[in-house]
Amino acid sequence: KQEVTQIPAALSVPEGENLVLNCSFTDSAIYNLQWFRQDPGKGLTSLLLIQSSQREQTSGRLNASLDKSSGRSTLYIAASQPGDSATYLCAVSPGGFKTIFGAGTRLFVKA
Amino acid sequence: GAVVSQHPSRVICKSGTSVKIECRSLDFQATTMFWYRQFPKQSLMLMATSNEGSKATYEQGVEKDKFLINHASLTLSTLTVTSAHPEDSSFYICSARDEDRAFEKLFFGSGTQLSVL
Repeated sequence: KQEVTQIPAALSVPEGENLVLNCSFTDSAIYNLQWFRQDPGKGLTSLLLIQSSQREQTSGRLNASLDKSSGRSTLYIAASQPGDSATYLCAVSPGGFKTIFGAGTRLFVKA
Repeated sequence: GAVVSQHPSRVICKSGTSVKIECRSLDFQATTMFWYRQFPKQSLMLMATSNEGSKATYEQGVEKDKFLINHASLTLSTLTVTSAHPEDSSFYICSARDEDRAFEKLFFGSGTQLSVL
């Protein structure tokens, strides 16, 4: 059974700091991995999607890496801003239609 | 980009009433949509997979008679919480996969906060 774990559960950093969010999964047989952002009381916004054959994806200040063999992914946020404060969710798809989510990392960036 | 519209965004109802939540894919066709439930500070739990023109597939522990799903067209799926009770209060989110695009990316609705009094 695939399980997704995100560490840390919560993180508070000063503005401008570079930070790394971690995601681990127990079954390396995945089709893709996706990072989402969720603001309080809102739906999810897709940030980055990494196919199983890829090692990383970049979008602006965000960079996500994938090491499928070790069951790990990291989301790197450069020069963090207060507007980055949100919950970040990691989700893996084993193929087919199901997607398994981690519990998320709640990020607070202090001005 | 692909957009999934979910309505209503918030609903408050009395115990025993039924509530319908709509999920629409606005610029793509989705033969499959997904319904999730999220409790405060917890992750999303898949409730059911909605299949256009056929019965939904429910996850273990989810009562199909309690959470009725209808996927009558390629752009609309509805979730009806029947005879709602306070323990059904939660955040419900739908998602759809644009199967014409590469990589099977998931797109999410904005969610519905259900409060049952």
